[in-house]
Amino acid sequence: DAGVTQSPTHLIKTRGQQVTLRCSPKSGHDTVSWYQQALGQGPQFIFQYYEEEERQRGNFPDRFSGHQFPNYSSELNVNALLLGDSALYLCASSWGQSSGNTIYFGEGSWLTVV
Amino acid sequence: KQEVTQIPAALSVPEGENLVLNCSFTDSAIYNLQWFRQDPGKGLTSLLLIQSSQREQTSGRLNASLDKSSGRSTLYIAASQPGDSATYLCAARTWGNTGFQKLVFGTGTRLLVSP
Repeated sequence: DAGVTQSPTHLIKTRGQQVTLRCSPKSGHDTVSWYQQALGQGPQFIFQYYEEEERQRGNFPDRFSGHQFPNYSSELNVNALLLGDSALYLCASSWGQSSGNTIYFGEGSWLTVV
Repeated sequence: KQEVTQIPAALSVPEGENLVLNCSFTDSAIYNLQWFRQDPGKGLTSLLLIQSSQREQTSGRLNASLDKSSGRSTLYIAASQPGDSATYLCAARTWGNTGFQKLVFGTGTRLLVSP
């Protein structure tokens, strides 16, 4: 049973560019959330998708957008990249958007903006 | 607004010691609390999940407790081993303003267990 998978693992982008990160949730999971983790910090909630709609959003600008597909996989898009966007981007999945089930995380995508 | 704090920020102990990691949260209206482990450069591995109605959960050498009224959770690690060296994060599951849930994380405790 594959866990949460993310791609790419590492990538380097230039300021002003756009990036797309991808996530496949754990089998049987229908809810996907994205988190940003800066070096030495705890993860910060970006947004959550359920039934292909953004259900809630953290304190991130509109440059951060996402999508969930019918197979529950998800993408995170960041436009007009800033140096401060350099971080580990984590995808998390669970079953049921309001359940008490364990939330599982992927290995993350390391984004470096130069 | 929920805020989660973890103390200490870093901890260095010799192998075999029992240790306690602390987590506190400002809003007691949590759905549950989850402890994670993060190895350097890696993602998060779930260790224990405590529902708001529970007092503690155990898995092997790990025991986590929850006191909602005081806004505290502790992770107890028995007989620590070098392989336990990692950053430990606690996260409170709370309701966002749309009624959906999200995790609010602390900044973690970086643990080093020396042989």
